[in-house]
Amino acid sequence: SAVISQKPSRDICQRGTSLTIQCQVDSQVTMMFWYRQQPGQSLTLIATANQGSEATYESGFVIDKFPISRPNLTFSTLTVSNMSPEDSSIYLCSVEKEGAFTEAFFGQGTRLTVV
Amino acid sequence: GQQVMQIPQYQHVQEGEDFTTYCNSSTTLSNIQWYKQRPGGHPVFLIQLVKSGEVKKQKRLTFQFGEAKKNSSLHITATQTTDVGTYFCAGQGYGQNFVFGPGTRLSVLP
Repeated sequence: SAVISQKPSRDICQRGTSLTIQCQVDSQVTMMFWYRQQPGQSLTLIATANQGSEATYESGFVIDKFPISRPNLTFSTLTVSNMSPEDSSIYLCSVEKEGAFTEAFFGQGTRLTVV
Repeated sequence: GQQVMQIPQYQHVQEGEDFTTYCNSSTTLSNIQWYKQRPGGHPVFLIQLVKSGEVKKQKRLTFQFGEAKKNSSLHITATQTTDVGTYFCAGQGYGQNFVFGPGTRLSVLP
């Protein structure tokens, strides 16, 4: 299993500012994933973060808006830059552990409100 | 790209009734996973299905993977209030990342 600590758990931010979300895993993982979940909606993958290389972004997400760091195998950050109210959402980090099967584990999420 | 659809979007049942949610992928999957997200919580892994036609049971939950590996279902027998939440399927194409379905939100009336 994997225990993921994500912070902050929630924040209210002014438009035009940036917020950095941190994700700490209790074990080394190759890939970490960042998702966005609009209220009552499904999870949308923002990007995949590998240690030692640039993150891979999904369609509709760009590095300038969502820069990601992955300095080691247990930690990653996602920054939401130049925020607007449309960025209000829950942001979740996730890791996959492979054993008998591949299982995804999620952090508690960061509930972001942009005013 | 790969799309994953789920129906119904919402389901309200009386406690003790059965519940089923269906998941369909636009492409053949290598495997499919199911997650449950309680209100205010984060998704929690339930199960992974890999083989064509596979059926797995967890107490009152029965998971099925279609023969063509493009659809799946989750059936809950005799729902309880603790079953409340949103159930997501997540399909993984060969060499692809997981794509989550939109989820089915289940409410159980006592």
